[in-house]
Amino acid sequence: DTGVSQDPRHKITKRGQNVTFRCDPISEHNRLYWYRQTLGQGPEFLTYFQNEAQLEKSRLLSDRFSAERPKGSFSTLEIQRTEQGDSAMYLCASSLVWAGGNVGYTFGSGTRLTVV
Amino acid sequence: QKEVEQDPGPLSVPEGAIVSLNCTYSNSAFQYFMWYRQYSRKGPELLMYTYSSGNKEDGRFTAQVDKSSKYISLFIRDSQPSDSATYLCASNQGGSEKLVFGKGTKLTVNP
Repeated sequence: DTGVSQDPRHKITKRGQNVTFRCDPISEHNRLYWYRQTLGQGPEFLTYFQNEAQLEKSRLLSDRFSAERPKGSFSTLEIQRTEQGDSAMYLCASSLVWAGGNVGYTFGSGTRLTVV
Repeated sequence: QKEVEQDPGPLSVPEGAIVSLNCTYSNSAFQYFMWYRQYSRKGPELLMYTYSSGNKEDGRFTAQVDKSSKYISLFIRDSQPSDSATYLCASNQGGSEKLVFGKGTKLTVNP
């Protein structure tokens, strides 16, 4: 396992189109997170999953955004009716949480979205 | 006021210098403090992870947390050109998975 994998690496879309990103976490990790990072800013939390259950969502995650993690493995993040303000790097991370604690996040390299 | 404040720099130092990176935070409930390194076009990579106040050392890196002043620091000794990256501080509350990041400080170490 080589880490957290995100696909595609880059996506250019026209305003109003729908886009979907995929994240494959480290296989033994039970938690998966989505963050968004704009230029010159730190990542901002969007949502996270414990196995297949979505446990927390940020108010940044408007009703145009939906995330899923079927079967507790890979996850998808869909943005409907994209707007120019959605242009950002979308980062996925995973972690293993067990009775002894959290081993810490491993981030993927992100999907860079440009809305034109 | 953002929950975690970080001077974005940029910071430029000669090779071998000691680098000091700092953040302040406003949420008294924050208990966990992290430093991430992010190279261009890559995701953040965890460098240091501390719980509550105190120091933690790992090789050339030392992380300090002072909860009384809500101040987080990262020191890099004998800095190398390969340390050139953006450094992000992050915190979260116990029981919450949401990490709150600073803006990041862009560091360049010149050979």
